Amino acid sequence: GAGVSQSPRYKVAKRGQDVALRCDPISGHVSLFWYQQALGQGPEFLTYFQNEAQLDKSGLPSDRFFAERPEGSVSTLKIQRTQQEDSAVYLCASSYWGARGDTQYFGPGTRLTVL
Amino acid sequence: DQQVKQNSPSLSVQEGRISILNCDYTNSMFDYFLWYKKYPAEGPTFLISISSIKDKNEDGRFTVFLNKSAKHLSLHIVPSQPGDSAVYFCAVTGNQFYFGTGTSLTVIP
Repeated sequence: GAGVSQSPRYKVAKRGQDVALRCDPISGHVSLFWYQQALGQGPEFLTYFQNEAQLDKSGLPSDRFFAERPEGSVSTLKIQRTQQEDSAVYLCASSYWGARGDTQYFGPGTRLTVL
Repeated sequence: DQQVKQNSPSLSVQEGRISILNCDYTNSMFDYFLWYKKYPAEGPTFLISISSIKDKNEDGRFTVFLNKSAKHLSLHIVPSQPGDSAVYFCAVTGNQFYFGTGTSLTVIP
């Protein structure tokens, strides 16, 4: 079956531009996670949804970052007024329930480069 | 503040030998531990996991060992194959997932 998909795969933005990154989770998965992976680092948690409810957004680095999942399936991560330090790979993952230890299935990521 | 550490950024092993990847964590409240494998330009894929009530879990060539007193996790791959060459991340769960920085494994044919 289809896995987690993300679009675009690559995005180049000029500093100050707004960007929107899309995630299509595995159909039927209740939970959806966003991570930021800087070069040479592991994924770092940004935010977590259970259905349409954003249960944890403690990892969002600033109020320029905003995520939504209005119908409990597709999610969008929006970054306003991008800065060079936002350059990273943004990974989306989904899991069936989101319970502790529930396997997360990752998408291929969107590589964002801010010039 | 790094919750999970993988102190070896890279590891090279001869094909057929054992690969041992290590991971240390800081918080004794973490209760579930996972290993993910990542190829270039792809997202991490789940490999194997262990809960805190166990000290060993085996799946084919992959075995994860958990030493709770030392807050240490390891992944053993036996025998190593060239297709195992990838970056391996350990992850732990408390209220969130925390990932290590990864170890790049190269299996030499």
